[in-house]
Amino acid sequence: DGGITQSPKYLFRKEGQNVTLSCEQNLNHDAMYWYRQDPGQGLRLIYYSQIVNDFQKGDIAEGYSVSREKKESFPLTVTSAQKNPTAFYLCASRGESNTEAFFGQGTRLTVV
Amino acid sequence: GENVEQHPSTLSVQEGDSAVIKCTYSDSASNYFPWYKQELGKRPQLIIDIRSNVGEKKDQRIAVTLNKTAKHFSLHITETQPEDSAVYFCAASRGNNAGNMLTFGGGTRLMVKP
Repeated sequence: DGGITQSPKYLFRKEGQNVTLSCEQNLNHDAMYWYRQDPGQGLRLIYYSQIVNDFQKGDIAEGYSVSREKKESFPLTVTSAQKNPTAFYLCASRGESNTEAFFGQGTRLTVV
Repeated sequence: GENVEQHPSTLSVQEGDSAVIKCTYSDSASNYFPWYKQELGKRPQLIIDIRSNVGEKKDQRIAVTLNKTAKHFSLHITETQPEDSAVYFCAASRGNNAGNMLTFGGGTRLMVKP
């Protein structure tokens, strides 16, 4: 099941390090999103992008950064400013309005 | 911005019984309401969605109802089976263009006991 791919599946970060999570889609979707999921919790929006070279903060953007240099790619950097980064990160993309959002398989980030 | 509340947070039913999950939203401009199912450690996947121009939609054992006046929508699963056990999320968006945010509810963990 392709379409939108996240890597790596598991990622370990030391205190004070920046790490970058990859998200690539071949669905020709304009919109892409990053969500954070904590155990037993819902999906909280970190950043989203509607078109190339444009992105907006979601509800919990502090300590994260993104770029959208290509339509296919929307990488997320978890910076050292994010004090509690351990979580499951999900990337999604969406095409036309009022349509399904497709999710990647997620990246589980753990601080060691 | 939009706020979506989802209840209950956990739901346990006996196999064969029905399950109902309810969501309320705050933005009256929202017009697209999907439901996602997430199995343990997997990605969320769309199971059914409804747009604001209809009040009900059904797909085999699952159905969704929408009350725009009251700003709430519900997922109904009939004849539940153990494989229905998962976390279910509702969401809402304005859907004016592809970039509009999907705001999710907090999720419902459904457990179907054999």
